[in-house]
Amino acid sequence: AQSVTQPDIHITVSEGASLELRCNYSYGATPYLFWYVQSPGQGLQLLLKYFSGDTLVQGIKGFEAEFKRSQSSFNLRKPSVHWSDAAEYFCAVGNNAGNMLTFGGGTRLMVKP
Amino acid sequence: EAGVTQFPSHSVIEKGQTVTLRCDPISGHDNLYWYRRVMGKEIKFLLHFVKESKQDESGMPNNRFLAERTGGTYSTLKVQPAELEDSGVYFCASSQPGLPDNEQFFGPGTRLTVL
Repeated sequence: AQSVTQPDIHITVSEGASLELRCNYSYGATPYLFWYVQSPGQGLQLLLKYFSGDTLVQGIKGFEAEFKRSQSSFNLRKPSVHWSDAAEYFCAVGNNAGNMLTFGGGTRLMVKP
Repeated sequence: EAGVTQFPSHSVIEKGQTVTLRCDPISGHDNLYWYRRVMGKEIKFLLHFVKESKQDESGMPNNRFLAERTGGTYSTLKVQPAELEDSGVYFCASSQPGLPDNEQFFGPGTRLTVL
């Protein structure tokens, strides 16, 4: 069975600091990996996705993520966090984008001024 | 273009009552999904429609939950009778058919509270 672990429930960073959100997955085949963000009152918005090819993927809002098969990880990074990045972030895995997604528990990001 | 919409945004009901949640997908999206997040835990898949057919309903928790998608447009999710453990946020998503990397677009969710 597939599963996703986001070890950090809450993270607080200062505005302008770098950010890394961890995601570990368990999946038997080649995974489709996703990062979503949910701001208050909004639906989940796709930040980026990895299917194949270059293991470093770029997304919207200045985010990137790196797929490391040997570590079963897909960590999300941003070099300089903005106050508007405060939200909850979800990592997800699937066998493709059109079928069910398995989500991690989410990481809530707070940004200090 | 309108995104995925869900109604109501909040619902508070008593145990034993019935609640119906509605999802309107993005126009032209044949795929429609229901997910829910209970008690701040992970978001879990409930089921997947392709047009009006249930493609995968492996995540439906029990027979108190009934999902329909008449005509392949909007979908409803009925909980009857509601139990305390049904409280949570119910998300709907939709995607275009065909390509394996077609993104799932999510609605804002319906927050259900069962008292």
